[in-house]
Amino acid sequence: EAQVTQNPRYLITVTGKKLTVTCSQNMNHEYMSWYRQDPGLGLRQIYYSMNVEVTDKGDVPEGYKVSRKEKRNFPLILESPSPNQTSLYFCASSSGTENQPQHFGDGTRLSIL
Amino acid sequence: SQKIEQNSEALNIQEGKTATLTCNYTNYSPAYLQWYRQDPGRGPVFLLLIRENEKEKRKERLKVTFDTTLKQSLFHITASQPADSATYLCALDNQAGTALIFGKGTTLSVSS
Repeated sequence: EAQVTQNPRYLITVTGKKLTVTCSQNMNHEYMSWYRQDPGLGLRQIYYSMNVEVTDKGDVPEGYKVSRKEKRNFPLILESPSPNQTSLYFCASSSGTENQPQHFGDGTRLSIL
Repeated sequence: SQKIEQNSEALNIQEGKTATLTCNYTNYSPAYLQWYRQDPGRGPVFLLLIRENEKEKRKERLKVTFDTTLKQSLFHITASQPADSATYLCALDNQAGTALIFGKGTTLSVSS
């Protein structure tokens, strides 16, 4: 089954403790992206990757890092999480950017205390 | 920068009626526009894509229109059912073609 898998689905942690949210897709997609979704603000892009070893900032990249060492994986790293990064995070992938629908994971709900 | 407005946060309709959701954008005209459905606690799911040279697109009970003069897309669900209750998001490409910009969504509730 074609899917985007995120882990963990839920995480409660404390300020400053490094964490990684993993994302994996099995569709051989070149394009992957991370979004955060906040009430009243909608989905906002954090980082994206057009292909292996190619990543770039989205609209809200501060406080986040990503890597794309393999085509299928695109982890999101919070080196020193802060409470304002409490949010619902989604990973997405597509076979390209133009005219291509994005496939989303089921989300990771992060709470930073 | 591009801005998207979905004209209502919530829409309540009776089962069997047609739901019409609106998506307006400012600035440049996108090459295409997409609609997604999001259920609580789940990721958005792609529904339909319409290109700038297409006036209308249909898929089963869904219909999308795209008016580049009005800078507006309309999303219709005919013969609505309670199972259609969800949040619907419109999205369009940024000018660089590197990302989708999403509207904040309209939450549709269909009562029986």
